[in-house]
Amino acid sequence: AQSVTQLDSQVPVFEEAPVELRCNYSSSVSVYLFWYVQYPNQGLQLLLKYLSGSTLVKGINGFEAEFNKSQTSFHLRKPSVHISDTAEYFCAVSAIGNEKLTFGTGTRLTIIP
Amino acid sequence: DSGVTQTPKHLITATGQRVTLRCSPRSGDLSVYWYQQSLDQGLQFLIQYYNGEERAKGNILERFSAQQFPDLHSELNLSSLELGDSALYFCASSLSRDQPQHFGDGTRLSIL
Repeated sequence: AQSVTQLDSQVPVFEEAPVELRCNYSSSVSVYLFWYVQYPNQGLQLLLKYLSGSTLVKGINGFEAEFNKSQTSFHLRKPSVHISDTAEYFCAVSAIGNEKLTFGTGTRLTIIP
Repeated sequence: DSGVTQTPKHLITATGQRVTLRCSPRSGDLSVYWYQQSLDQGLQFLIQYYNGEERAKGNILERFSAQQFPDLHSELNLSSLELGDSALYFCASSLSRDQPQHFGDGTRLSIL
């Protein structure tokens, strides 16, 4: 079984400052990793994914994440946030060969003007 | 727009009732997944169908059932509803195992 830990339930950041949202996972098998964003009253939108290859993954809206196998982490970063980035961010994992997604509890990103 | 369509957007009903949530996957996607998002349980996988067949089951209650039809749309049936079933129910679809899941906007179910 897989599990995902998002230690920070809320992260306040000033506009134009950098941000890092942390995600750690646990799995006994190889995994795929994802970040999804949920804007208020909307569904989940895929930000980026790691399937294989380069450990640095670039996604939409200027976000990127780095897969670190030794630390079992997949932290999400953005060098300069905007008010429009206010949302809830979910890290998710699926075991290769098993399509079920296991989600973390989410991190609410609040941008301070 | 993810291309995944869920209806209805909102559903208000009473305890003991039965409801059906509908999902149309993205064009070409064979897999459909159902998830439940609630305040106390977070986002939980319920069930997956692939080309009409059940492929994986998660934390789905026996009062809940789903199916995928030949045109690939899927329905999630919830019966004998309880207050605790109030949640946002998401449908997602994907093309294949190695492709990410794309989510609909969800159906918000409120049990009074």
